Amino acid sequence: DTEVTQTPKHLVMGMTNKKSLKCEQHMGHRAMYWYKQKAKKPPELMFVYSYEKLSINESVPSRFSPECPNSSLLNLHLHALQPEDSALYLCASSQEPSGSRPNRYEQYFGPGTRLTVT
Amino acid sequence: EDQVTQSPEALRLQEGESSSLNCSYTVSGLRGLFWYRQDPGKGPEFLFTLYSAGEEKEKERLKATLTKKESFLHITAPKPEDSATYLCAVQARIQGAQKLVFGQGTRLTINP
Repeated sequence: DTEVTQTPKHLVMGMTNKKSLKCEQHMGHRAMYWYKQKAKKPPELMFVYSYEKLSINESVPSRFSPECPNSSLLNLHLHALQPEDSALYLCASSQEPSGSRPNRYEQYFGPGTRLTVT
Repeated sequence: EDQVTQSPEALRLQEGESSSLNCSYTVSGLRGLFWYRQDPGKGPEFLFTLYSAGEEKEKERLKATLTKKESFLHITAPKPEDSATYLCAVQARIQGAQKLVFGQGTRLTINP
């Protein structure tokens, strides 16, 4: 099973709202990622969690706050967003390379949450 | 700096007309090159991983190949359902964590 699930599928929020995006995987992966994707552009990395610790923050504004409650779950808390934050938000997971399998790094993506900020 | 360039940006083919998509890359020590398929409004779907020059992988009408500087995604006798954006990415290790560096993608349209 290579499934990553994301909820909700669609979200419309005002600039003063607080909302959260959720992501779940049951593949035993220890690395999880948040991406933002605008139309006709490739995914743009936002955050990386490795063994439930934040390892990369790509200079993302503080109105985006990630959280990794356990090895299967990843949240993205949203507050005071701007209209330009409207995009498809993608979650992904992968194994962490190990000594016996240094190259097992395929990232599996969820279906995404289409976010519209009004 | 690790870079990935895909060409062409867009490609229109007739059903059954075979072609190839190109992905050229510069990376300090290739750990993996990945091909994904993405349908509009959906998440990328993993297709292939290639690790070393000369490696080839196939799936239905798709075949991915790898050289030291580029990768090709060959599409044989495509069908309209093969229409999608195809993304190429290389693995990089930055700040102690794994990161994918994506190309801009090739939008493929197969006309019936």
